[in-house]
Amino acid sequence: SAVISQKPSRDICQRGTSLTIQCQVDSQVTMMFWYRQQPGQSLTLIATANQGSEATYESGFVIDKFPISRPNLTFSTLTVSNMSPEDSSIYLCSVEGSYPNYGYTFGSGTRLTVV
Amino acid sequence: QKEVEQDPGPLSVPEGAIVSLNCTYSNSAFQYFMWYRQYSRKGPELLMYTYSSGNKEDGRFTAQVDKSSKYISLFIRDSQPSDSATYLCAGTNAGKSTFGDGTTLTVKP
Repeated sequence: SAVISQKPSRDICQRGTSLTIQCQVDSQVTMMFWYRQQPGQSLTLIATANQGSEATYESGFVIDKFPISRPNLTFSTLTVSNMSPEDSSIYLCSVEGSYPNYGYTFGSGTRLTVV
Repeated sequence: QKEVEQDPGPLSVPEGAIVSLNCTYSNSAFQYFMWYRQYSRKGPELLMYTYSSGNKEDGRFTAQVDKSSKYISLFIRDSQPSDSATYLCAGTNAGKSTFGDGTTLTVKP
């Protein structure tokens, strides 16, 4: 299965600022996924990033708040813009496996605290 | 109603116990089901996936799916302290996964 490197692993940010999270995969993948995991809660899909096209956002998430770049088949970034304390969460990137390794592989996550 | 409901826990068992982790789902369109394990400060890692009713075994782990009752389970035999983690179930349809909230398991030596 793919190996994902995600950084930063954690950050503490001031409200009103922005943070860009990077995700590097060791193989070429068509789709990359960005999730949010709030404390004690489930994983929630933010958006799907395809190389060469606009990201597709899930209900409740907008491009102005979470702009995504996907410049090539192994890399993506997620920016959390104009942050507020409610954005404090773990952000994870993920790729989908293929036969025989179905399921998703996740990065180790970025633990964001907004103060 | 959430599409995937997971027994909330937390669950604490002695080493060597058999652990049963359970989820129910409401979306009949889910094509396959997965169990993930998440250690503290790590991303989830896939443990098992299955796409049909019945049992699937991998070492000490058995995943069970009952599509008629929309019920999925993960059994851990001979549980070890290293199994202490949060376990997430998920259903997948058209490439999108919906996750349960997770059950935190502690296996005490």
